[in-house]
Amino acid sequence: GESVGLHLPTLSVQEGDNSIINCAYSNSASDYFIWYKQESGKGPQFIIDIRSNMDKRQGQRVTVLLNKTVKHLSLQIAATQPGDSAVYFCAETSTGGGNKLTFGTGTQLKVEL
Amino acid sequence: DGGITQSPKYLFRKEGQNVTLSCEQNLNHDAMYWYRQDPGQGLRLIYYSQIVNDFQKGDIAEGYSVSREKKESFPLTVTSAQKNPTAFYLCASSIGRKTRTGGEPYEQYFGPGTRLTVT
Repeated sequence: GESVGLHLPTLSVQEGDNSIINCAYSNSASDYFIWYKQESGKGPQFIIDIRSNMDKRQGQRVTVLLNKTVKHLSLQIAATQPGDSAVYFCAETSTGGGNKLTFGTGTQLKVEL
Repeated sequence: DGGITQSPKYLFRKEGQNVTLSCEQNLNHDAMYWYRQDPGQGLRLIYYSQIVNDFQKGDIAEGYSVSREKKESFPLTVTSAQKNPTAFYLCASSIGRKTRTGGEPYEQYFGPGTRLTVT
């Protein structure tokens, strides 16, 4: 989704459903992508990463999909649980990019019981 | 335990005072970063350091200063020149640019954050 003003885009899902969080990036030189999870009042935690030579990578209950043609990244969470409620950020960098990450604005995931 | 720590968790200051936020890591990382996060917003880079005794301005460096005298430590000073200092401040560390030999992840490890309130 796209942010409007100061409001984070929000995704509400029922417990047990699958969640899909999307992220668009603009730098065609980006070749490394990370998804972070940030719980309220805490620092971001690494979830999963993917390099541009892959289009899919799976972790425990999470899958990241990369579409370089349209510069789009998604995070799929299977069987969403209440503990998955958080803000999710994508981040990108390029191998020659000075060792810095560029973060997206984030998506708030709310899991309803 | 290896990790990155920030102190204090909450900090209150009067307008016009400088304040220094602490960040320490024992991950043996060369690179360290400071970000600012406002409510409902993403992370904005204030300063970063790829190696001891060297640091660069990020996207919003005005009103902030840093030092990197030790590998483990990267303190951030919020000066009275920062017009809107109230925010959540996050410190992170990663493998340094010059340490990379190829294939290492670009993951940054984050501290728990310091919430600064200036009144």
